[in-house]
Amino acid sequence: AQTVTQSQPEMSVQEAETVTLSCTYDTSENNYYLFWYKQPPSRQMILVIRQEAYKQQNATENRFSVNFQKAAKSFSLKISDSQLGDTAMYFCAFMNPNNDMRFGAGTRLTVKP
Amino acid sequence: NAGVTQTPKFQVLKTGQSMTLQCAQDMNHEYMSWYRQDPGMGLRLIHYSVGAGITDQGEVPNGYNVSRSTTEDFPLRLLSAAPSQTSVYFCASSPILSYEQYFGPGTRLTVT
Repeated sequence: AQTVTQSQPEMSVQEAETVTLSCTYDTSENNYYLFWYKQPPSRQMILVIRQEAYKQQNATENRFSVNFQKAAKSFSLKISDSQLGDTAMYFCAFMNPNNDMRFGAGTRLTVKP
Repeated sequence: NAGVTQTPKFQVLKTGQSMTLQCAQDMNHEYMSWYRQDPGMGLRLIHYSVGAGITDQGEVPNGYNVSRSTTEDFPLRLLSAAPSQTSVYFCASSPILSYEQYFGPGTRLTVT
């Protein structure tokens, strides 16, 4: 079974600085999808970024980028120029070709002014 | 375009009662799914569907039933509620092969 591990339960960063959230996963699949979701206090789940495993190029969405290391089964999220609105829980997630989705336990990120 | 809607927002049940959590989407998405979120844990997949008439089990299906008679609706049924089912429940949908899921606002369920 696939598992997703987020080893940092909590992190903090100063406003305008850069922070990296870690995620590792375990799978025997070759084709799959990886995601980072943000959950602010409103509880709404918001997609931050996604990566297809067959693509070597790391995904980027504005201030958010990933470092995808397929051989190491690592999928970290970098947030540049952190903003107060980035304060939230961040979940790493894995989906296999059969649409079975697994989430990590989450990292609580606090951006300090 | 309402996106993914869930009702109710909050619910309290007694052990042994049954109820249905409603989920609807108006985006014509083929894929729909149900998750539960417990404190200190990420979302866990309960059941999912890749189209009307097709459902499958996720990571934690026990105690829950689903059906998908239309593209729009994907209700989750608790046949005999247990305190272990106290959780926040999220419904999500996405176009097939897109894998970008759109989540509903969640239902907070408490079983006493």
